[in-house]
Amino acid sequence: GDSVTQMEGPVTLSEEAFLTINCTYTATGYPSLFWYVQYPGEGLQLLLKATKADDKGSNKGFEATYRKETTSFHLEKGSVQVSDSAVYFCALVDPRDDKIIFGKGTRLHILP
Amino acid sequence: DTAVSQTPKYLVTQMGNDKSIKCEQNLGHDTMYWYKQDSKKFLKIMFSYNNKELIINETVPNRFSPKSPDKAHLNLHINSLELGDSAVYFCASSQGRFGAYEQYFGPGTRLTVT
Repeated sequence: GDSVTQMEGPVTLSEEAFLTINCTYTATGYPSLFWYVQYPGEGLQLLLKATKADDKGSNKGFEATYRKETTSFHLEKGSVQVSDSAVYFCALVDPRDDKIIFGKGTRLHILP
Repeated sequence: DTAVSQTPKYLVTQMGNDKSIKCEQNLGHDTMYWYKQDSKKFLKIMFSYNNKELIINETVPNRFSPKSPDKAHLNLHINSLELGDSAVYFCASSQGRFGAYEQYFGPGTRLTVT
């Protein structure tokens, strides 16, 4: 079945560092891909999405490109801030059955 | 105005009890969901309703029963609570079925079963 694999956390970086959180997926169809973010004590919020190969999603300085050849959707940000500290979830939706599958989440700590 | 609200925010109860969690969305969305997030932050969908009709029912014990009185509400009732039910439960809604639609999450209900 479909699955999403994220890098294990926690990831700890200093402010202004470059961020990459890896996400790879397994799907037999052509899924849509998402990154959601969960700030402490809150529900998840959509960060960005891409619905087809080579699409780039971007929001709040974060970017991710849908790479079909490597089945990846890595999240990147050029210069992180303390306020980016949160848990980040990669997810896919297979349009054939409309089910969303989340990765296990990656906790990010940004030090001032 | 809160888009997706849940009550209560915290729920502490004993094994064997029956409890309900309520969810309301004021976004005019057609589809609502319940998710369970365990202590390791693993998030799994439990149920999905579209226009008051159940469309996703994952492998969840029969003790869990969703009820949708109207499009704006999706409540979760849990019978005979067990220790393993302790988790954070999130309600969410979207304009349409998953696809490319963004999901809007509520703040969560932390359930602790003792």
